[in-house]
Amino acid sequence: SAVISQKPSRDICQRGTSLTIQCQVDSQVTMMFWYRQQPGQSLTLIATANQGSEATYESGFVIDKFPISRPNLTFSTLTVSNMSPEDSSIYLCSGTSEASYEQYFGPGTRLTVT
Amino acid sequence: GIQVEQSPPDLILQEGANSTLRCNFSDSVNNLQWFHQNPWGQLINLFYIPSGTKQNGRLSATTVATERYSLLYISSSQTTDSGVYFCAAAGYYSGGSNYKLTFGKGTLLTVNP
Repeated sequence: SAVISQKPSRDICQRGTSLTIQCQVDSQVTMMFWYRQQPGQSLTLIATANQGSEATYESGFVIDKFPISRPNLTFSTLTVSNMSPEDSSIYLCSGTSEASYEQYFGPGTRLTVT
Repeated sequence: GIQVEQSPPDLILQEGANSTLRCNFSDSVNNLQWFHQNPWGQLINLFYIPSGTKQNGRLSATTVATERYSLLYISSSQTTDSGVYFCAAAGYYSGGSNYKLTFGKGTLLTVNP
C-alpha cells in the first residue's frame, strides 16, 4: 500500500489569494490525481498529475485556476489560484500503487476562503 | 464516462444489525473499490474488488462484473462503522489514453448504540 501525506492539513485564505497544496507519497506510484470534495458531496476528479508534463484536466477545471506540478514519481503540488468562497472544499491527493490499480488517498486539505 | 450509483443514500441501524450497500456501474471497469470516509474526512480503503468476493472481519464485498454491480456487507454493526461509504469504479476513457476513478454519491450510515 501507499502512504500519502498532504500539507497543509487546513487553511483559511482570503479571496483573491492563492494556495499551494503539497502531496508526498512514501513509495513510487504509477499515477497521481487531485480531487475536490465540496461539503456533503462526493469526490470529483480535478486532474491527473503527469510526471514531467502538463496535467490532464477534467471538464470544468482549467490549468490557469488549478496549476499542477509533478516533478517526480512521489511528489505533486496543486495550486488553487485567485480563490473565491466557492473554492472552499476539501482537496485530496491520490495515487495508484505500482502493483495494481488500487488507489490510495491522502488525508485531505480543508480550505476555507473568506 | 462511467456512471456509478449507490443505494441507499442513507441508512440508520441499531448496533448489532446487518446491512447491505449496493453499487451499480454503467460500463465495464478495470477495478471497483469501496471506501469508508470517517468523520474526520479520511478515506479508508476497504476493498479493491474488480470481481469475486472478499472478506475482512465483519465486512465483506462481492462484485459481479458481468452484471455491473457490487455489494458491501456489514455484519454486527458497531457505532464506529458510522460514516460515508463510497463505491468507486475505474476505467480508461478518451480512447484509452486517460484513466479515472469515478465515485458514487455515497451511503451515509449511522449506527446508533
